[in-house]
Amino acid sequence: KAGVTQTPRYLIKTRGQQVTLSCSPISGHRSVSWYQQTPGQGLQFLFEYFSETQRNKGNFPGRFSGRQFSNSRSEMNVSTLELGDSALYLCASRPTGFTEAFFGQGTRLTVV
Amino acid sequence: KNEVEQSPQNLTAQEGEFITINCSYSVGISALHWLQQHPGGGIVSLFMLSSGKKKHGRLIATINIQEKHSSLHITASHPRDSAVYICAVSSGGATNKLIFGTGTLLAVQP
Repeated sequence: KAGVTQTPRYLIKTRGQQVTLSCSPISGHRSVSWYQQTPGQGLQFLFEYFSETQRNKGNFPGRFSGRQFSNSRSEMNVSTLELGDSALYLCASRPTGFTEAFFGQGTRLTVV
Repeated sequence: KNEVEQSPQNLTAQEGEFITINCSYSVGISALHWLQQHPGGGIVSLFMLSSGKKKHGRLIATINIQEKHSSLHITASHPRDSAVYICAVSSGGATNKLIFGTGTLLAVQP
């Protein structure tokens, strides 16, 4: 069974640009969560999607948005990039409810 | 004060030593997770537990719900155990949101 796939793995963007990151969960998993990891703040929750509905959102500005498609694949978008958005973005999938989380390898975003 | 606290932040051990990493939390939880992160970023789930004790190979995780405390033990540590170990809690309710500790950087020297 394929694991959680995140694309791209690495990305360099300029301040003010926007970026879209993709996450393909394990087949059959309907829950996808996104996290941001930075040296200063550690791992922080961004959003959670379940069956195409956003179930919860972390304390991030509106520039951070996401969506989930009918095949459970999820995308997150960051608009008007700032230097502070440089981070490792991780997604995790779960079958349904309160089960073990399976993480992707992450997308490392650098904003210059 | 963080909702999930880990100690120690850094740990250096000699190969073969018994290692303990501690995690305390201050929120209501549905489950507690122990995660491992190697350089490069990928995170692997080691344990998810809501009571008692679990064991996988040389790894043992325990949780005390009344004291809001969990421990991760590594027996007969090996250099390949060197990684960041992260404690996270599922906050419960209608969400899978994870709240993370700051991690413990473990270095096992041969």
